Amino acid sequence: GDSVTQMEGPVTLSEEACLTINCTYTATGYPSLFWYVQYPGEGLQLLLKATKADDKGSNKGFEATYRKETTSFHLEKGSVQVSDSAVYFCALSDRAGGYQKVTFGTGTKLQVIP
Amino acid sequence: EAQVTQNPRYLITVTGKKLTVTCSQNMNHEYMSWYRQDPGLGLRQIYYSMNVEVTDKGDVPEGYKVSRKEKRNFPLILESPSPNQTSLYFCASRHYSGSAGTGELFFGEGSRLTVL
Repeated sequence: GDSVTQMEGPVTLSEEACLTINCTYTATGYPSLFWYVQYPGEGLQLLLKATKADDKGSNKGFEATYRKETTSFHLEKGSVQVSDSAVYFCALSDRAGGYQKVTFGTGTKLQVIP
Repeated sequence: EAQVTQNPRYLITVTGKKLTVTCSQNMNHEYMSWYRQDPGLGLRQIYYSMNVEVTDKGDVPEGYKVSRKEKRNFPLILESPSPNQTSLYFCASRHYSGSAGTGELFFGEGSRLTVL
């Protein structure tokens, strides 16, 4: 079945440091890929997405590129801020499954210190 | 304002006492789903619904029931809660259109349930 593997956290960075959160996936079809973010005490919200190979999703300074050859969708940001502290979830929605299900990774907690 | 509303946000109950967590969305979404979030396990899908009167099991449906009598509502029912159902629960919704599965999921703020 489909699965998403994320790097374990927590990740602690100083403000203005570079961020990479690794995400790899296994899917039977041609999935769409997502990053969701969960701020403390809130539900998840979409950060960015990519729907086909080589697409790059971007939002709020975050980027991720859909790499079919390495089945990866790593999240990157060049300069993190304290306000980026949150839990980040990589997810996929598989066309082979009729898009009926979104499979999430276990989440990576990011803490940015001033 | 477009939103998914869950109630209650916090609940402490005892083993065996039936409870219902309500979920309502105002975006006319066809697809609705329930997830539970547990440390180290991420989000796991409990049940989902692709439209009114159409529901199906997710990955961890045991001990839960759902119904979809109206498009906007998708309640989660725990008939006889047990301590292993202590968790943070999220309801989510999105448009569903056949092959167009690229739509964003909209989440509620979560319901933290403790079963003693």
